[in-house]
Amino acid sequence: EIVLTQSPGTLSLSPGERATLSCRASQSVSSSYLAWYQQKPGQAPRLLIYGASSRATGIPDRFSGSGSGTDFTLTISRLEPEDFAVYYCQQYGSSPRWTFGQGTKVEIK
Amino acid sequence: QVQLVESGGGLVKPGGSLRLSCAASGFTFSDYYMSWIRQAPGKGLEWVSYISSSGSTIYYADSVKGRFTISRDNAKNSLYLQMNSLRAEDTAVYYCAREQQLYYYYYMDVWGKGTTVTVSS
Repeated sequence: EIVLTQSPGTLSLSPGERATLSCRASQSVSSSYLAWYQQKPGQAPRLLIYGASSRATGIPDRFSGSGSGTDFTLTISRLEPEDFAVYYCQQYGSSPRWTFGQGTKVEIK
Repeated sequence: QVQLVESGGGLVKPGGSLRLSCAASGFTFSDYYMSWIRQAPGKGLEWVSYISSSGSTIYYADSVKGRFTISRDNAKNSLYLQMNSLRAEDTAVYYCAREQQLYYYYYMDVWGKGTTVTVSS
């Protein structure tokens, strides 16, 4: 089973700052199978990035994804007030079918 | 618009049963694979179960195998999760999600708002 480890656990930043979130896999993961989601309190997760670097429909271009192999990154170029949330990486695998990282909380400093 | 709406959550005693439903609208339900994902209070996301578009292929997380049963009714545009022998650790918000397989890309592009299951005596 592939384990996804996200870091840091919490990121304290101010609006307008750049956020860099890491997702590290315990084994190599196909970039095609790596996605990122945003979750706000009381809401369902929302797809941000699929295929490690492709933005989902309607996602602002301040969100970008990169990486390959075991190291993946979600970058928010300039934080807007609505971007403060928890972010999860996810990978598609064989067993189990889907694995999530434990999440990174981006909070207002 | 494309939408998933879960229902059926509630309070149940340990050892009890519950059946969750997920009603799909705004897309051709029978064309898509579906999954259930849960989130325990204050915790992260955990994939629970998957069903193929026809219902012929099913997978479960080890934590629910033998206790939960996923099914679907394409004529009713509905997904189900029958949960038996419930434990306190099954307490969570349960989400249904549409799986998207676009070329080589795999992801979940539509999520319901969730239904809360509480297992407590």
